[in-house]
Amino acid sequence: GAGVSQSPSNKVTEKGKDVELRCDPISGHTALYWYRQRLGQGLEFLIYFQGNSAPDKSGLPSDRFSAERTGESVSTLTIQRTQQEDSAVYLCASSPRGTPRENTIYFGEGSWLTVV
Amino acid sequence: QQQVKQSPQSLIVQKGGISIINCAYENTAFDYFPWYQQFPGKGPALLIAIRPDVSEKKEGRFTISFNKSAKQFSLHIMDSQPGDSATYFCAASMTPLGGSNYKLTFGKGTLLTVNP
Repeated sequence: GAGVSQSPSNKVTEKGKDVELRCDPISGHTALYWYRQRLGQGLEFLIYFQGNSAPDKSGLPSDRFSAERTGESVSTLTIQRTQQEDSAVYLCASSPRGTPRENTIYFGEGSWLTVV
Repeated sequence: QQQVKQSPQSLIVQKGGISIINCAYENTAFDYFPWYQQFPGKGPALLIAIRPDVSEKKEGRFTISFNKSAKQFSLHIMDSQPGDSATYFCAASMTPLGGSNYKLTFGKGTLLTVNP
């Protein structure tokens, strides 16, 4: 596809279960970001990948959250032992390089996670 | 600590009117200020962006005004149209010493409704 692809688009899970969210960035984009958008809130930075450099994980809210990226392709965000406060839209974005000042960041449509 | 404060939370404008959304920031190290537009069910998309070395940037009906001394910037939508109805987010990022400014800090968003 031409844009950032995320799956699943919607996920309802029971409290305590693990979930995996997938992101397919735009082909050729070396930078990949995960953001979280809670209802009525702005976007919160979670993690950033740039090529083969060590990822910036400073935005991950707890050790229940982790993310991986294989080379410059697919990324997976994993939330273990989900809690109700994890309910949010998880947005993935990519850009040609890791500098929003120089390059437009393209967002996917998000994965809406509901923890019941 | 909320580094970017956005107002109003919601805004209703008549077709043809001017929509104005304001943001204030605290961190004087911010050096890039984009605005994103988000339609329901879609990811945010870059609308227009400004750097602090200019006071205004205009692209079509959209204008950013930037006041460095007041640490404020605003989005003006001239001749507002029903198709402009969306949520608008301001954001800011900075270039850390020796690094790249990839982390965007977002405001909480403004829901704009343009009535026909």
